[in-house]
Amino acid sequence: EDKVVQSPLSLVVHEGDTVTLNCSYEVTNFRSLLWYKQEKKAPTFLFMLTSSGIEKKSGRLSSILDKKELFSILNITATQTGDSAVYLCAGGYSGNTPLVFGKGTRLSVIA
Amino acid sequence: DTEVTQTPKHLVMGMTNKKSLKCEQHMGHRAMYWYKQKAKKPPELMFVYSYEKLSINESVPSRFSPECPNSSLLNLHLHALQPEDSALYLCASSPGTTFNEKLFFGSGTQLSVL
Repeated sequence: EDKVVQSPLSLVVHEGDTVTLNCSYEVTNFRSLLWYKQEKKAPTFLFMLTSSGIEKKSGRLSSILDKKELFSILNITATQTGDSAVYLCAGGYSGNTPLVFGKGTRLSVIA
Repeated sequence: DTEVTQTPKHLVMGMTNKKSLKCEQHMGHRAMYWYKQKAKKPPELMFVYSYEKLSINESVPSRFSPECPNSSLLNLHLHALQPEDSALYLCASSPGTTFNEKLFFGSGTQLSVL
């Protein structure tokens, strides 16, 4: 069973739409949740969340962690074609365990 | 310098060739990683080095041989690869050695094995 589950796996929206990407995680030894954006090659870091209920924001992107319900969401408002990418969610667990990646959500923003 | 630099960006090799992938970071990070990523899949961990010592080997076939000559450099030596080894190979680093923290990724080497 996967430790980190993302949904949806793919999504097509029009420019200007708002999207919400979901990531649920397994709670045992959970420490942090990270979001990355991968366009062509290198995944680029977006957010790291450790505390429940505190929203992190960067421009049109924001993310929040719900430790009670064991999930995180990544919101993108006023989407642009440049937001088209794969968004990866990763769980950080204690015990010298490397990050556990979800399968990613492939977002396509069409003009 | 907040970059992880990988060379080469693209590599085509035959199944009998020997080649090496290189990765460099000058952020003083103590952990370095190799990931393999197939198309439309998430990155898959191969190796982790901590303080230049191999800490994690995710049961990777011996045709992949990692090396960490110093704290800034990480190599992946390739020998007798198979076509199914064609993939994007990503290097990453992290500041500490708990392995569950923010990773800084390089741009990757796109490898094709013929």
